[in-house]
Parts: sequence; structure tokens; C-alpha cells
Amino acid sequence: SQTIHQWPATLVQPVGSPLSLECTVEGTSNPNLYWYRQAAGRGLQLLFYSVGIGQISSEVPQNLSASRPQDRQFILSSKKLLLSDSGFYLCAWSVTGGSTDTQYFGPGTRLTVL
Amino acid sequence: SQELEQSPQSLIVQEGKNLTINCTSSKTLYGLYWYKQKYGEGLIFLMMLQKGGEEKSHEKITAKLDEKKQQSSLHITASQPSHAGIYLCGASLTTDSWGKLQFGAGTQVVVTP
Repeated sequence: SQTIHQWPATLVQPVGSPLSLECTVEGTSNPNLYWYRQAAGRGLQLLFYSVGIGQISSEVPQNLSASRPQDRQFILSSKKLLLSDSGFYLCAWSVTGGSTDTQYFGPGTRLTVL
Repeated sequence: SQELEQSPQSLIVQEGKNLTINCTSSKTLYGLYWYKQKYGEGLIFLMMLQKGGEEKSHEKITAKLDEKKQQSSLHITASQPSHAGIYLCGASLTTDSWGKLQFGAGTQVVVTP
């Protein structure tokens, strides 16, 4: 069966510091991968998606970047965090990425920028 | 403005009572997903609806997609404490091949004894 992991679970970082969040998927090959952010009182916002190694698409301009160095590894990064980067970050995977292809979510990382 | 509107924003229901959550869009819903989230945790997939008029059930949860594919409802029968949490609807609003989902803001459900 497939499982998805995210770490760290929680993170407190000062403004201006770098960020690296990691997501890995087990039990499937060549998944579509997604990064979402869930800010307090708001719905999920898609940040990045990837259909393969080295292929990243950004949905919104922001202070963050994503990379996919391996088939089942997805990394969210920032060089300098802003207060507005605080939120709950969720990674998800799907098989094909079609309009009726279910996305399965990881446990999330709670990021607080102070 | 949200492309997917969920209502109500929150609700409190007595254990054993039924509840209904709605998810509405002005655009066609090509794939409609219901997820449940406990605070501080990831989303748990509940059900996916695709065809107009489709209805699916799992245990005491039933989801429906209307014929016009612009509204979905999630109905819980005889609610239990385990049903408490945040319910989110997500939808594909295009037929693009890569499956971008828009999400509603969520409905918080509290189940009281």
C-alpha cells in the first residue's frame, strides 16, 4: 500500500531564515506530487505540482520554491522566510493527475515564522 | 472569492442527529472530492463523485452530486463523536489533464453528547 510522509511535523523559524520541508511517497512509482498551504481561516491553496523528476509548475508567485530530486521525493524551500509564510503545509500525491484522479495527503507540517 | 462555496461554515450537532454540508460552484464540477481533516492533521479522503446524479455511501456518510454537476452535499446519518472534524470539498473545475483541485473553506463539525 502507498504511504506519504512529511517532515518535520512542526517548525518554528525566524523571519529571514531558510526553509526546507520534505515529502516522500512509498509504494508507487512516478506519482504526481503537490504542495498546498492551508493558512488560518482559509482553504487549501495549491502552491506547486510536479508530474516527474525535475518538472515543477508553480501556481502562485511567492517566496517559495519546490524541487523534485527523486521520483518520490518533493521538497519545498525558501531562501528567506517571511511572516506571511506561516501556515500548515500539506503534500499530496496522485496516480495520473487527471480531473478524476484522487489526491492523497500527507500529515502536514505546521510552520510558524516569528 | 472562493470558486467553491461550502455551507455552513460550522455546525454543532447532537450525537445521534443527522447533518448535511453543501458545496456549491458556479462552474461545472468535473471531479468532486470530499475530505475530512482533524485539526493539525492531514486530509483523509472520503469519496469522489464524477457523474451527474451520482450518489455514494460509506458507513453513515452519503455524498451526492446534483444532475447539473454544480452542487454536492455530504450527509451524515446518526452522527457520532468520531464524525467531528473539518470537512472539505475539493473539485476539478476543468478537464485539464493534470488535476488541479480547488477547495472550499471547510465546514467544522462539532458533535455534542
